[in-house]
Amino acid sequence: TQLLEQSPQFLSIQEGENLTVYCNSSSVFSSLQWYRQEPGEGPVLLVTVVTGGEVKKLKRLTFQFGDARKDSSLHITAAQPGDTGLYLCAAMNYGGSQGNLIFGKGTKLSVKP
Amino acid sequence: DTGVSQNPRHKITKRGQNVTFRCDPISEHNRLYWYRQTLGQGPEFLTYFQNEAQLEKSRLLSDRFSAERPKGSFSTLEIQRTEQGDSAMYLCASSLGPIEPAETQYFGPGTRLLVL
Repeated sequence: TQLLEQSPQFLSIQEGENLTVYCNSSSVFSSLQWYRQEPGEGPVLLVTVVTGGEVKKLKRLTFQFGDARKDSSLHITAAQPGDTGLYLCAAMNYGGSQGNLIFGKGTKLSVKP
Repeated sequence: DTGVSQNPRHKITKRGQNVTFRCDPISEHNRLYWYRQTLGQGPEFLTYFQNEAQLEKSRLLSDRFSAERPKGSFSTLEIQRTEQGDSAMYLCASSLGPIEPAETQYFGPGTRLLVL
């Protein structure tokens, strides 16, 4: 069974602070995705990382895929209240059900003004 | 807006009633997925379709759950004899299928179900 463990589960910070959230697994993945979900809405894809060691930047967000493709991190610089939300990592399940995503439990981020 | 749409957005029902949710995927997408998300958890896969064919349904939570995609376009998810434990957000996603480097699934806003 492929599991994605995210940490921390909750994070409350002040506007302007930096933060990093993590997604770890004992399994190797061909790719990994990060989503952001706001209350009452569906997840929205932020980025897909596919190459071990890959770093992708999206404005103040920096995503990294581990060299062994088992883990990933999301770093936010100078967080803003608009960054508040649930950050989910997900990987494609190539087990019995090809094509579905496996999600971590998410990191719930609150950025206070 | 040509994104994934779901109806209704909210549903309150009494235990034992049947409910049906609808998902309209992005028009050219041939894959459609249903997920369930409970409080404090990430989405959990239920079933998926490639066009009108249901390719995986073993993850449906019980035989009270069923899904259809009769013409390969919209899909419905039905829960019969609802139980309080069925209360959750039901999410639909669609995609073009496996495209390198990775498939991208686009999610709808979800249907939030509350069973009293």
